[in-house]
Amino acid sequence: GENVEQHPSTLSVQEGDSAVIKCTYSDSASNYFPWYKQELGKGPQLIIDIRSNVGEKKDQRIAVTLNKTAKHFSLHITETQPEDSAVYFCAAPRGGADGLTFGKGTHLIIQP
Amino acid sequence: KAGVTQTPRYLIKTRGQQVTLSCSPISGHRSVSWYQQTPGQGLQFLFEYFSETQRNKGNFPGRFSGRQFSNSRSEMNVSTLELGDSALYLCASSLGEGYTEAFFGQGTRLTVV
Repeated sequence: GENVEQHPSTLSVQEGDSAVIKCTYSDSASNYFPWYKQELGKGPQLIIDIRSNVGEKKDQRIAVTLNKTAKHFSLHITETQPEDSAVYFCAAPRGGADGLTFGKGTHLIIQP
Repeated sequence: KAGVTQTPRYLIKTRGQQVTLSCSPISGHRSVSWYQQTPGQGLQFLFEYFSETQRNKGNFPGRFSGRQFSNSRSEMNVSTLELGDSALYLCASSLGEGYTEAFFGQGTRLTVV
């Protein structure tokens, strides 16, 4: 089955700086890669996703890049703000049907 | 449009008991997936239902089961509860036609004592 590795596990950045979280996947057939943000006491919230037919996708301050050859994808957050503090998860399809394999998560801390 | 609704939000059960959790997907979504979230193991896939059929199953013992009704609402059941079953149980709904966006509910926090 699919295996997703996520780094780093904790990331601390100054407010206004950029943050980058990286994930690798094992199944070359995977073609959909979502990112989720989870705040304390809440369920994961889908913030951006990318399909394998594009290399980059942007939505305001967040962007995701995909390198299919190297089998890795990254989340980029620019001009970080206090409300960006949360745990971020990357994911890839399990294969066969709906259902996702998640990375272990990155705890993003925005320092004022 | 209403989001994914999970009930109850919190539950405390005793070892050996069984529990049933409920998930109402977004209107029009036909796929419901269930996940277990723990600090040690992270988010782990339990199973996925589409049009009342289980299409995909994770590596969990048979004590974990689920079902989906004709209105796409889903339930999961855990029998003979163990302390290690304490976790946040999340469900996610999606259209189910290929890989589409999955939206999560707030989860049910299960504590086994």
